[in-house]
Formats: sequence, structure tokens, C-alpha cells
Amino acid sequence: QVQLVQSGAEVKEPGASVKVSCKASGYALSSYNMNWVRQAPGQGLEWMGIIKSSAGKTEYAQKFQGRVAVTWDTSTSTVYMELSSLTSEDTAVYYCARELNDDYFFDFWGQGTLVTVSS
Amino acid sequence: EIVLTQSPGTLSLSPGERATLSCRASQSVSSRFLAWYQQKSGQAPRLLIYGASNRAIGIPDRFSGSGSGTDFTLTISRLEPEDFAVYYCQQYDISQYIFGQGTKLEIK
Repeated sequence: QVQLVQSGAEVKEPGASVKVSCKASGYALSSYNMNWVRQAPGQGLEWMGIIKSSAGKTEYAQKFQGRVAVTWDTSTSTVYMELSSLTSEDTAVYYCARELNDDYFFDFWGQGTLVTVSS
Repeated sequence: EIVLTQSPGTLSLSPGERATLSCRASQSVSSRFLAWYQQKSGQAPRLLIYGASNRAIGIPDRFSGSGSGTDFTLTISRLEPEDFAVYYCQQYDISQYIFGQGTKLEIK
């Protein structure tokens, strides 16, 4: 069955970087893009970026341009999201979310990874 | 950038009642790019509806989506206890994926 298994919770100091992983299994990886969506405590959902399976092309939300990088290790079917220059406002649950190529919605989500930014 | 505004912010209903949730876009969007998600406390979101009116796999037929242009609706025909959650609409526009702020459906 489809599984998106994310790495565990992280605690980071302001100014640091965090790298969250999402291991995919149970489906044809080449047919799906992978997105990252975050949710601050008590807040709504916010799209961060996408890596497209066809050529590994990435696109990012304007808010995170220059601060986020999404990469894909095809050998392990693992997608990574790295966010740098963390502030307390980056405290959130980060989700990976699968998207069938060019369908523009997210049909399966990882379980979420809590990133806490605190000194 | 398109903004999605969901209403009401909170909807208080009883099991068995009908729920109507609204998602309004700041400009016309393609129905193809409009989706709805359900999120229960402490859980990841779950896809309910895509393409404005297509139910995702495994979603009960009491959930239905409709609308076009700038106005979209998620209807739950007869509320079950497990339907009380937060609901988000989402659309795609020029390489950006945008969510509404959510509607909380609570038990009255």
C-alpha cells in the first residue's frame, strides 16, 4: 500500500537549518510529484514547494524562495525538504504530500513532522 | 495572487443535519484545479474532492462538491459523528498551490 513515512520531530535554534525526509513506497514513483505543506500551531495549511518526478524540477512558493530546497534521492525513494535561516515563525508541522503528475491536488499525505524553533 | 476565502469560519450543526461549506476565489479559477480536504485534530489532511466535484477514492457519497468560476461548495448531506473536523479548499494557479483558511465543523 502507499506509504509516505516522514522523519521524526526536530528542535532547532533560530538561524539554523532543518532537513525533513519523506520516504515513499507502494506506488510508481515516476508518476507522482511530491509537495511540501506546512501548518503552524492552530493555523491553516501553507504550500511550500514541489519536486516534479519527470525531471526533478522544483518550484517554490514565493514566500520561501531562497530559503527552501526540495531534493529527491531516487535510489532510496526519499524526498527531502531543507529550510534554512529558521525563526520561531517556522515552528510548524511539515507534511509531504503526493500529487499525480499535473493533477494539482494532493491525494496522499505523510504523517507530518513537527519542527520547533526555539532558543 | 488568487485568494480563497472560506465561510463560515465555524459551523455548528448536529449529527444528521446537512452541512454547506463555501469557498470563494478572488478571481475566476478553473474547476479542474479546485479540491477539498478534511483534517481531523492531530492528523494529516485527507483528500475529499478534486476537480470541484469528483469524490476521491473511499470517500462516502454523502460528501459532494459543486461550483464554478469563483464560488465553490462542499456539501455533506447527512452529518455523521466522524465528519466533525476542519475543511480546507485548495486551488492551483500559476505554479502556486493556495489553500483557504479553513472551516471548522463542530458539534452543536
